Amino acid sequence: AQKVTQAQTEISVVEKEDVTLDCVYETRDTTYYLFWYKQPPSGELVFLIRRNSFDEQNEISGRYSWNFQKSTSSFNFTITASQVVDSAVYFCALSEPITSGTYKYIFGTGTRLKVLA
Amino acid sequence: SQTIHQWPATLVQPVGSPLSLECTVEGTSNPNLYWYRQAAGRGLQLLFYSVGIGQISSEVPQNLSASRPQDRQFILSSKKLLLSDSGFYLCAWSPRAGWTEAFFGQGTRLTVV
Repeated sequence: AQKVTQAQTEISVVEKEDVTLDCVYETRDTTYYLFWYKQPPSGELVFLIRRNSFDEQNEISGRYSWNFQKSTSSFNFTITASQVVDSAVYFCALSEPITSGTYKYIFGTGTRLKVLA
Repeated sequence: SQTIHQWPATLVQPVGSPLSLECTVEGTSNPNLYWYRQAAGRGLQLLFYSVGIGQISSEVPQNLSASRPQDRQFILSSKKLLLSDSGFYLCAWSPRAGWTEAFFGQGTRLTVV
């Protein structure tokens, strides 16, 4: 069965530090998607990135970057020069096909990031 | 553009009372719909998903049920709430075609007292 593990329950950093959030996944599918979401204190999940299993290129978006490595089944998320506004719970997720055009999203337990001023 | 609405935002209910949470999606048709629960300090657990009107799949046995009376309406219900039903409930949708992310509502914080 599909599984997503986020071993880091909570991380605290000082503003401007870099921080990496780890995500390890398990799947038997050869085609799958991985996702990262941000959950600010308001509670709504905000989509950050989607990555398919055939694209191992690293992705960079501003201060955010993602490192996808199939060899280690990892999809790690790095925030460079962290800011207080980055404080949130971050979830990694994996798609699991149900039927054609329908997928379940398997989430990790999340990592709470606290950025201290 | 597509939007998802979920209400109420917060709810305090006594043990044994019924529950009805509603979620509607606008701007799309035939979406996949999902109910997730986030218990305090825990991850997101998929409760139900639906691929069409009247089609509900349950992921975990529990005190809750779901219904999809209309294409873009998804309802989470309970006849008698338990203390363990407390949590943060999130509705989500995804397009039927193609690999894509799920889009979430703003959530309902349910406290059973």
